[in-house]
Amino acid sequence: DVKVTQSSRYLVKRTGEKVFLECVQDMDHENMFWYRQDPGLGLRLIYFSYDVKMKEKGDIPEGYSVSREKKERFSLILESASTNQTSMYLCASRRTSGYYNEQFFGPGTRLTVL
Amino acid sequence: AQTVTQSQPEMSVQEAETVTLSCTYDTSESDYYLFWYKQPPSRQMILVIRQEAYKQQNATENRFSVNFQKAAKSFSLKISDSQLGDAAMYFCAYMGGSEKLVFGKGMKLTVNP
Repeated sequence: DVKVTQSSRYLVKRTGEKVFLECVQDMDHENMFWYRQDPGLGLRLIYFSYDVKMKEKGDIPEGYSVSREKKERFSLILESASTNQTSMYLCASRRTSGYYNEQFFGPGTRLTVL
Repeated sequence: AQTVTQSQPEMSVQEAETVTLSCTYDTSESDYYLFWYKQPPSRQMILVIRQEAYKQQNATENRFSVNFQKAAKSFSLKISDSQLGDAAMYFCAYMGGSEKLVFGKGMKLTVNP
């Protein structure tokens, strides 16, 4: 079974802190994604990566950056956390590009910025 | 840009009954996939069912089936013989040429014993 893990289930940070959210997948997937989930808004794509060292902006990249130095790991970085970044963050991975390839999701990190 | 609309934020169903979750989408593409994802409380999101737009036959996975109306751009999910474990948030999603998922806002399904 594909396993996507995220470093924390719950995280509390202060405004202005630099925050790292880590995601690891164990199935040698090429593609990885970071989403933000808010009530009434569904899931919105922040960034994605087709392969190591590759990244592309999603629909809401402002205030975020990413890093993918190894194939199995995709990090989301909040350079200076703000209260409006309080949200649930979901990581996902996919074997490779293509319609049929299913995205597998991690359990999510609920981030609170005070 | 493609959009996905789930007009009902919440629904409830009695155990063993059938419920239909609605989803509409907007696109100018002719080739795409549609998905239903399930997110149980405090658990990971999982794929329930997918439909290829070029296939006229509706997809079925055990108790889950879809009613895909391409001309109407409608993609509803039917859950038969509802079980307590079906209680979850359900998200409808679209994937076209960009190969990025576009999600609806989600719908919370409650299953009453």
